[in-house]
Amino acid sequence: RKEVEQDPGPFNVPEGATVAFNCTYSNSASQSFFWYRQDCRKEPKLLMSVYSSGNEDGRFTAQLNRASQYISLLIRDSKLSDSATYLCVVRNNNNDMRFGAGTRLTVKP
Amino acid sequence: GAVVSQHPSWVICKSGTSVKIECRSLDFQATTMFWYRQFPKQSLMLMATSNEGSKATYEQGVEKDKFLINHASLTLSTLTVTSAHPEDSSFYICSAETGHSNQPQHFGDGTRLSIL
Repeated sequence: RKEVEQDPGPFNVPEGATVAFNCTYSNSASQSFFWYRQDCRKEPKLLMSVYSSGNEDGRFTAQLNRASQYISLLIRDSKLSDSATYLCVVRNNNNDMRFGAGTRLTVKP
Repeated sequence: GAVVSQHPSWVICKSGTSVKIECRSLDFQATTMFWYRQFPKQSLMLMATSNEGSKATYEQGVEKDKFLINHASLTLSTLTVTSAHPEDSSFYICSAETGHSNQPQHFGDGTRLSIL
């Protein structure tokens, strides 16, 4: 079983839709959690860290559920420019970063 | 914010050539740098982790004699693909971090390597 698992998608949604991604992790001692965004043929860029109490950055909301060992990313009012692959990243108790395979999102006009 | 520079961004060379890729942290000291490889439509695959001044730790299945990593300073790590072959063609990305547990990794722009 992979240490970090994501639904690969693709998620195809219309502009303005709300879309949510989940990511599960297997190491209960994991320490830190992040969402990265990767555009085609580009490097990943940090979208947001995920805090225990949940956090919001504009149209993006991230939540952490330690009991069920998953994190989520909610995107409201989707824009065409949100089309990308979203990577769930977990730092485990060995301080190693583990990446999910990514969820591909396509926002259509 | 933290910036990581990777060079070159694109390399095309003949089979058998050795290729060196540099990764620099521009405005912070990176105690640890990471090298990833990504094939088309696949996720990032960690190749190795390097700590300044010590030998790199390679992931299972990655040949350390094929992919030479040097992390000589807190701001520079290099990856050398020795005697590259067409199957080594890929997107290579480095990342760096300060070592604080709640801090994310910062990625370089990536190097697209094409071996003819």
